[in-house]
Amino acid sequence: GDSVTQMEGPVTLSEEAFLTINCTYTATGYPSLFWYVQYPGEGLQLLLKATKADDKGSNKGFEATYRKETTSFHLEKGSVQVSDSAVYFCALKDSSYKLIFGSGTRLLVRP
Amino acid sequence: DVKVTQSSRYLVKRTGEKVFLECVQDMDHENMFWYRQDPGLGLRLIYFSYDVKMKEKGDIPEGYSVSREKKERFSLILESASTNQTSMYLCASSLEYRKEKLFFGSGTQLSVL
Repeated sequence: GDSVTQMEGPVTLSEEAFLTINCTYTATGYPSLFWYVQYPGEGLQLLLKATKADDKGSNKGFEATYRKETTSFHLEKGSVQVSDSAVYFCALKDSSYKLIFGSGTRLLVRP
Repeated sequence: DVKVTQSSRYLVKRTGEKVFLECVQDMDHENMFWYRQDPGLGLRLIYFSYDVKMKEKGDIPEGYSVSREKKERFSLILESASTNQTSMYLCASSLEYRKEKLFFGSGTQLSVL
C-alpha cells in the first residue's frame, strides 16, 4: 500500500540555520503531497502542498518540491527561527478520502 | 477560522471501561476523521465519516466504533478500553471539495490503566 517515510528526529538547529527534512513516498498513481505542522499543544495544520510533479509548495518561508523521479518531497527553509520548533509531518493523498501520514520529525531550534 | 473542539485534553480510564471521545466542528464540514498518534508511528486513521450516519473503517478500527448523529459531531467509542489504547487521539474535519485540507483539534491524551 501507499506509504510515507520521513527522517528520524529530533533535528536540532541553531537559529538562522538552513533546514532540510527528508520525505520519500511510495504510491500507485500520482498522489498529492503535503506537509503538516504541529506546534506544541496544538493540532496539526496544513503548511504547504503540491499536487503534481515539479510543483513547488511554499508557505511561511518553507518550501518543498514534488520530485516524481526520486519520489521525494523534502521540506526546506533557508533560515529557521525558534518559533519554527514543532513536529513536521509529510503526507500523501490519492483519490480516496484518506491522508497517509509519515511518522513525523521533531524540529528544535535553539536561540 | 474553523474550530475543531475535542471535549477533553487529558483522560484517565480503567481497563474494561467504555470510553467516549467527543469532537465538534463549527464550519459545516462534511468529512470527519479520528486518528491516533503514537511516537514513531505518526498518525493512523481509525474511522472516518463523509456524511451524517455514514462511517467507514480506516486502517486500525479494531476495538473502536464511531457515531455521527449530527453533522457537527463525531464521537469515538472504545467499547472496552485496554492498555494498548493509551494514545493521543486527534479529531479532524474537512470540506467535501477540499478533502486534503484537514482541520485538527488539539487532541485528547487518553491513558488506560
